[in-house]
Amino acid sequence: EAGVVQSPRYKIIEKKQPVAFWCNPISGHNTLYWYLQNLGQGPELLIRYENEEAVDDSQLPKDRFSAERLKGVDSTLKIQPAELGDSAVYLCASSPRVAGGPSNEQFFGPGTRLTVL
Amino acid sequence: AQSVTQLGSHVSVSEGALVLLRCNYSSSVPPYLFWYVQYPNQGLQLLLKYTTGATLVKGINGFEAEFKKSETSFHLTKPSAHMSDAAEYFCAVTAGSARQLTFGSGTQLTVLP
Repeated sequence: EAGVVQSPRYKIIEKKQPVAFWCNPISGHNTLYWYLQNLGQGPELLIRYENEEAVDDSQLPKDRFSAERLKGVDSTLKIQPAELGDSAVYLCASSPRVAGGPSNEQFFGPGTRLTVL
Repeated sequence: AQSVTQLGSHVSVSEGALVLLRCNYSSSVPPYLFWYVQYPNQGLQLLLKYTTGATLVKGINGFEAEFKKSETSFHLTKPSAHMSDAAEYFCAVTAGSARQLTFGSGTQLTVLP
């Protein structure tokens, strides 16, 4: 079974430029997550989707960040404009819809490492 | 609200020695607890999880963890470290109906030859 796919793996941009990250979750996984991981820190949730609906976006800085999950499969996370402090790893994860609910394992992609100059 | 504290951002052990990575959690309702491992330039991989039932949980690669409610702890152990265990380890908690994982800040494990 293929894992969570993310692209690009690395991105270097200048501040004030836009950037987008793409995620393809594991087939059949209804729930998709975007996390931000700063150096030396654990991941922090940005947004969670159940199918195509964003059910938790309370931690997403909506002035510059946006996300979409059209058709409930692939997802894109965008930053416009990027700031120096956005340099981090952006992780995508997915989990299946089963009876376990919160105990379900989340499967993580390799992440996109963003460097803003 | 829920939170996780991992004691020790860096732990070094000799190959063959006991590995002990500490995790304490805070949760107002019974928690679900997880340990994830992250190798360089890779995503997180689940080592083990506690949901309900037996408090001693066995995971992959010889790791295990024990849920101790009275101590609000979920420490990760492995009897004998291997060089391939060198990685960053994250403890995480989720609770109630929430599906949001709250991660600790991680512990970098170094295995010395």
